[in-house]
Amino acid sequence: QKEVEQDPGPLSVPEGAIVSLNCTYSNSAFQYFMWYRQYSRKGPELLMYTYSSGNKEDGRFTAQVDKSSKYISLFIRDSQPSDSATYLCAMSEGSSNTGKLIFGQGTTLQVKP
Amino acid sequence: SAVISQKPSRDICQRGTSLTIQCQVDSQVTMMFWYRQQPGQSLTLIATANQGSEATYESGFVIDKFPISRPNLTFSTLTVSNMSPEDSSIYLCSGRDSGLTGELFFGEGSRLTVL
Repeated sequence: QKEVEQDPGPLSVPEGAIVSLNCTYSNSAFQYFMWYRQYSRKGPELLMYTYSSGNKEDGRFTAQVDKSSKYISLFIRDSQPSDSATYLCAMSEGSSNTGKLIFGQGTTLQVKP
Repeated sequence: SAVISQKPSRDICQRGTSLTIQCQVDSQVTMMFWYRQQPGQSLTLIATANQGSEATYESGFVIDKFPISRPNLTFSTLTVSNMSPEDSSIYLCSGRDSGLTGELFFGEGSRLTVL
């Protein structure tokens, strides 16, 4: 069993839809949870960062962490064609400055105009 | 966050040859890493590049195959040695922000195809 599981998709939605991206994990020691966005032929860039359980909102993006279920989500409201990218979840245990990041496989999202 | 430049951005190589990828950061970073991203796969950490000492390799990766140098806090190289088609992949250099979040930032990657 992989430490982090993420449905690779692809996921195709119409513009304006609410998108839900999810990851599950097996290591209960994970405390830091991140979402990276990767455009085609580019390196990943940090989108959202969350510590422990709870929600965090940034504009159209909301990250949720449910440690009891070992489940994290990223919601995108009013999705735009520019949101079309691969979204990778990542997590680490211990300090966010030194902990090794474990990445999910990435979910490819396409938002159609 | 800092900006990472990698080169080459892509290359096509022959089996049995070696290729060195260069990674330059526009500011000093404490930690630098090399990842591999194979098609449809997650990012896999190859090693942590330690400044002035030998890199720390993850399970499944060895120095003879992936020698790494880091002569200072802004530069690192990864060599893929004696390449085979299985080494065809995207190789990503990354650095870690020393701030509270420890954000990991990436270069655009080097796409290698081994024939």
